[in-house]
Amino acid sequence: DIQMTQSPSSLSASVGERVTITCRASQDVRNDLGWFQQKPGKAPKRLIYAASSLQSGVPSRFSGSGSGTEFTLTISSLQPEDFATYYCLQHNSYPRTFGQGTKVEIK
Amino acid sequence: EAQLAESGGGLVQPGGSLRLSCAASGVTFSPFNMNWVRQAPGKGLEWLASISSSGSTIQYADFVKGRFTISRDNAKNSLYLQLDSLRAEDTATYYCARDSYYFDSSGYHGVPFDYWGQGTLVTVSS
Repeated sequence: DIQMTQSPSSLSASVGERVTITCRASQDVRNDLGWFQQKPGKAPKRLIYAASSLQSGVPSRFSGSGSGTEFTLTISSLQPEDFATYYCLQHNSYPRTFGQGTKVEIK
Repeated sequence: EAQLAESGGGLVQPGGSLRLSCAASGVTFSPFNMNWVRQAPGKGLEWLASISSSGSTIQYADFVKGRFTISRDNAKNSLYLQLDSLRAEDTATYYCARDSYYFDSSGYHGVPFDYWGQGTLVTVSS
């Protein structure tokens, strides 16, 4: 199975700050990587697919990069509605595997 | 409004069974692969199973093989998950989620989880 390791597991940031979350795959997943946002009590929401493609309707302050084993989700200017938990997901092979999540909290 | 809606969760004793349903409305269902994902209280997301658009190809996470069964009925725009031999560690919110596709110069590519249901809570306890 492909292991997905996210870092950090949590972070505190202020509104307007630039935030970067990293996801590392235990083997090459090409660009078969998505990023999801989840708010408490809600279903996850897809932000990024194919490592760097922005899901329709998602603000452009979100961006994704990387391929192979190293991936990054960047929020260019953190907004109040962005405080949530973020997950990466690889779908290059089964079983599909998520990272353990990164909780973004208000500083 | 386009949505997926799960139902069928509840309280069940260890060793018991439940059947979860996911109904699609306003969301194109039959051409797309479908999935079940769960989340234990306070924990992360865990993929459980996927089923192809026709139902002919199915994948399971190892830890649910032989206990959970995914199926679909395209005529009813519905996805199902049969949960058998339930354990306390199966306590979680269960989500259905649809795969989608994008097209580039190298053809069509499947990408997971563009639409999610709101989840249904399964509690396994005596």
